[in-house]
Amino acid sequence: NAGVTQTPKFQVLKTGQSMTLQCAQDMNHNSMYWYRQDPGMGLRLIYYSASEGTTDKGEVPNGYNVSRLNKREFSLRLESAAPSQTSVYFCASSNPWAGVNNSPLHFGNGTRLTVT
Amino acid sequence: SQQGEEDPQALSIQEGENATMNCSYKTSINNLQWYRQNSGRGLVHLILIRSNEREKHSGRLRVTLDTSKKSSSLLITASRAADTASYFCATVPAGSYQLTFGKGTKLSVIP
Repeated sequence: NAGVTQTPKFQVLKTGQSMTLQCAQDMNHNSMYWYRQDPGMGLRLIYYSASEGTTDKGEVPNGYNVSRLNKREFSLRLESAAPSQTSVYFCASSNPWAGVNNSPLHFGNGTRLTVT
Repeated sequence: SQQGEEDPQALSIQEGENATMNCSYKTSINNLQWYRQNSGRGLVHLILIRSNEREKHSGRLRVTLDTSKKSSSLLITASRAADTASYFCATVPAGSYQLTFGKGTKLSVIP
């Protein structure tokens, strides 16, 4: 049981390049999330998908797009990377059995992205 | 915007001592959660306390919630070197679906 798997683990991009961060969970969870973590800022929600077929913006969605490919997979795309997007990106999932507001999140180990 | 704020930002204690971290938040909440993050890893869920609960225990962890003061505390008893990590509180503001995190407390347990 792998939990939440993120690929790649590390990535260096040049300004203007594009890339897709992949995330997959094997816990049959309905909800999935993308966060970014910056020093001194804590975690900030980029996008989330409450269930398969739906996506919604979080606190910091600008510069990103997401795709909920199926129940297992939720990808995050940077169309034109900027240095301000240098960060650690975490994918998470949850199964809101007690309501979407009352379920713990399960996190992957992150993708460390540097944009030069 | 940051909903929860942890205090202190950093804490250093000797192995065997207790560690207390505090979290304050701004608006009414449905629940408050605590997470641990080891260096270079993802966050791990520790405990969830609902807005109608005042105290909750899990092993060496004790969490309290005071909704009148909009604050919570996490107590780790008999700390171990393996407890060295950053600890985050996270809240779901009433009327929201988004779990928002504080900036964390960095705990160092010295063997």
